[in-house]
Order: sequence, then C-alpha cells, then structure tokens
Amino acid sequence: KNQVEQSPQSLIILEGKNCTLQCNYTVSPFSNLRWYKQDTGRGPVSLTIMTFSENTKSNGRYTATLDADTKQSSLHITASQLSDSASYICVVTDNNAGNMLTFGGGTRLMVKP
Amino acid sequence: GAVVSQHPSWVICKSGTSVKIECRSLDFQATTMFWYRQFPKQSLMLMATSNEGSKATYEQGVEKDKFLINHASLTLSTLTVTSAHPEDSSFYICSASIPGQGYYEQYFGPGTRLTVT
Repeated sequence: KNQVEQSPQSLIILEGKNCTLQCNYTVSPFSNLRWYKQDTGRGPVSLTIMTFSENTKSNGRYTATLDADTKQSSLHITASQLSDSASYICVVTDNNAGNMLTFGGGTRLMVKP
Repeated sequence: GAVVSQHPSWVICKSGTSVKIECRSLDFQATTMFWYRQFPKQSLMLMATSNEGSKATYEQGVEKDKFLINHASLTLSTLTVTSAHPEDSSFYICSASIPGQGYYEQYFGPGTRLTVT
C-alpha cells in the first residue's frame, strides 16, 4: 500500500529561524514528489515538484531535497516569516495509469514573532 | 496561469437539503478534475475523479448517489451533496490536472467550506 509519512506533525519556531520538514514514502513505482503549502481555509499551493532524477529544487526561501534511494524528502525553510505559518503537505505520485496522488498527513508550522 | 476557482467559498445548509459546489478551470481546459474532502487537522482525502463527458470514478467508501459529480465541460465540474447531514460538514477541494513535462500537474481550487446544521 502506498504511504506517505510526514514529520513532525506540528512545529513552532520563532520568526527568522530556519526549519526542516521531513517526508518518507513507500509509493511505487515513483513518478514525482511535490510539496504544497496550505493556508488555513484555503486550497494547497504547489511549492516544488521533483522527479526521480532531481535531488534538490528551490523556490525562494523554500528548498526541497529528494533521495530516491532512501525514499525520503525534506523541505527546508530559510529565514522564516510569519506568513509561513501553514500546513505543508508532501504528495507523491505513482507512475501507474491514472497517476494517483498519495498525500502525507502534513506538518502544521506556526511561526511566532 | 492554471487557476482553479470554486463557488461558493462557504455555504451553510439545513440537514436534508442538497448543495451544489462548482469547480472551474479559468484559463485552461481540464479533461480530468478531482474532488477531495478534508476534515479539520487532517490531510486531503480523494473522493472521486471526474472526467469530462463520462461518469466519475469514486473512491472506495464514497457514496456515488450521495455525492453527485457532473463534468459537463472541459472547464466545469460540479459536486452535489444530496440530502446533506451534519457529518457531511467538511472542507471540499477540487483540483484540475494538465499534462506537462511528462507528468500531470494538479492545480487546486481554494476550497468550499460546507456546514450542515
């Protein structure tokens, strides 16, 4: 069964600090991995998407890494801002017909002043 | 580009009534749209996959007669919650997929908050 596990479930950091969110998956065959940011009461917004051959991808202060061998990904947020407070969801797509998405449970990040 | 809208953004209805939620792709044609449900502090759960011009494919445990999906055009899919009950109160999110770079990118709508009283 395809699964995506995220850690930690929740995290509180001070504004300006860095943090790293983790994602482990067992989806097979693997197609791509995405990180989404979901503000409360809003739909998810894509931050990064990585395919098998990509190890790292950045989007501003967000940097995602992917280790396809160990089936792990991380999302690093640099110099956090209050607006970074949101849920961050790791989503893995399989390479079967239908390209189904498997969602992680998300990490709820709160950035405090 | 690739904007998905939903209407309404929030709705309150009485138990036993039906509610229709619209999902539109504003600047692209989407042959496939997806409907998700999200309960508080939980991740998105796929309810059904909607293909233009054909019947929707429902995930296991989702009642197709209760959650009616109509994908009438390449830019519009609707979800109708029939005979709504308080347990149907949730955040409903749609997404639309378009091909790109060897994979299908999914773009999510802003969600619809349904409260059944």
